[in-house]
Amino acid sequence: GENVEQHPSTLSVQEGDSAVIKCTYSDSASNYFPWYKQELGKRPQLIIDIRSNVGEKKDQRIAVTLNKTAKHFSLHITETQPEDSAVYFCAASPGGSNYKLTFGKGTLLTMNP
Amino acid sequence: DGGITQSPKYLFRKEGQNVTLSCEQNLNHDAMYWYRQDPGQGLRLIYYSQIVNDFQKGDIAEGYSVSREKKESFPLTVTSAQKNPTAFYLCASSIGQGLKTQYFGPGTRLLVL
Repeated sequence: GENVEQHPSTLSVQEGDSAVIKCTYSDSASNYFPWYKQELGKRPQLIIDIRSNVGEKKDQRIAVTLNKTAKHFSLHITETQPEDSAVYFCAASPGGSNYKLTFGKGTLLTMNP
Repeated sequence: DGGITQSPKYLFRKEGQNVTLSCEQNLNHDAMYWYRQDPGQGLRLIYYSQIVNDFQKGDIAEGYSVSREKKESFPLTVTSAQKNPTAFYLCASSIGQGLKTQYFGPGTRLLVL
């Protein structure tokens, strides 16, 4: 089955700097890669996703890049703000009609004032 | 995600007791999922259902059971066979029909007395 590895497990950045979180996946047939943000005690919320026919996608300060050859994808957050502090999860879904998501173990992002 | 509800918010289980967690959605989504979240472990899939009256085991199904008798409901029973049930349980749903984005409920925290 699919295996998703996420790094780093914790990330501390200066407010205003950029943050990058990286994930690798094992199943070359995977074709959908979402990123979720989870604040303490709350539900995970989708922040951006990318499909395997696209190399990059941007939404304001957030971008995701996908390298299918290397089987890795990354989340980029620019101009980080205090409200970006949360746990971020990447996930991958196999191709075809299977709707399962396999999640990485998460990255705790914190801001230094 | 406002269309997915879980109850109760907190649940206490006694030794040897089965407990049932509720998950309801009014989004007309075909697929529903149950995840378990432990600190540092990400989201692990327990069971999922892509259509009414059908469900499949996820990665950690032992000690759990589900039913999918109605499209809008996907209850999870934590049986006495689950020896370490303390965790945050999240239900999710997705439209299906090739669209894989999952939306999460607010979660149920299960504690053992």
